[in-house]
Amino acid sequence: GAGVSQTPSNKVTEKGKYVELRCDPISGHTALYWYRQSLGQGPEFLIYFQGTGAADDSGLPNDRFFAVRPEGSVSTLKIQRTERGDSAVYLCASSVQGRAHNEQFFGPGTRLTVL
Amino acid sequence: AQKITQTQPGMFVQEKEAVTLDCTYDTSDPSYGLFWYKQPSSGEMIFLIYQGSYDQQNATEGRYSLNFQKARKSANLVISASQLGDSAMYFCAMMGIYNQGGKLIFGQGTELSVKP
Repeated sequence: GAGVSQTPSNKVTEKGKYVELRCDPISGHTALYWYRQSLGQGPEFLIYFQGTGAADDSGLPNDRFFAVRPEGSVSTLKIQRTERGDSAVYLCASSVQGRAHNEQFFGPGTRLTVL
Repeated sequence: AQKITQTQPGMFVQEKEAVTLDCTYDTSDPSYGLFWYKQPSSGEMIFLIYQGSYDQQNATEGRYSLNFQKARKSANLVISASQLGDSAMYFCAMMGIYNQGGKLIFGQGTELSVKP
């Protein structure tokens, strides 16, 4: 079956612009996660959805970052007024359900470069 | 707060030999899970092995085993019979089930290089 997909694979934008990153989880997975991975670092948690609602958004760095999952499937991470420090690989993962000992399946990531 | 520490930025191993990648953790959550992921240069995160905090036996998955020492708060990954394709970044991660359920907390990673 299809794995987690993310689009675009690469995004180059200018400082101050708005970007949207999309994640398509594995069909039937109710939990969806966003992480950010800077060069040479481990992934850093951003937000976790259980169904349509954000169960934990404690990792969002500031109010420029927002994510939605309106129908409990596809999710979009939105970044307003991008800054150079936002440059990173944004990883999406999904699992059968959250808050349990379930493997998270990761997508290939979106590499965001802010010039 | 939860924390994962991987103290080995880089490791070398000869092909066909075994290697141990270190991971220590800290958490106040009474129930938690420990994970290891592999990240090749292509970038995808590949799940390797999982250990629950209440599991009585150490987890094994093929050539991967997890040396879980709860009192020491360590969860080292052992790779037996290393192969050239094992060269990659390896991340240890944990998930607290009660207080921090859902999110994975990752360590800094260890870069493993397998020599022919």
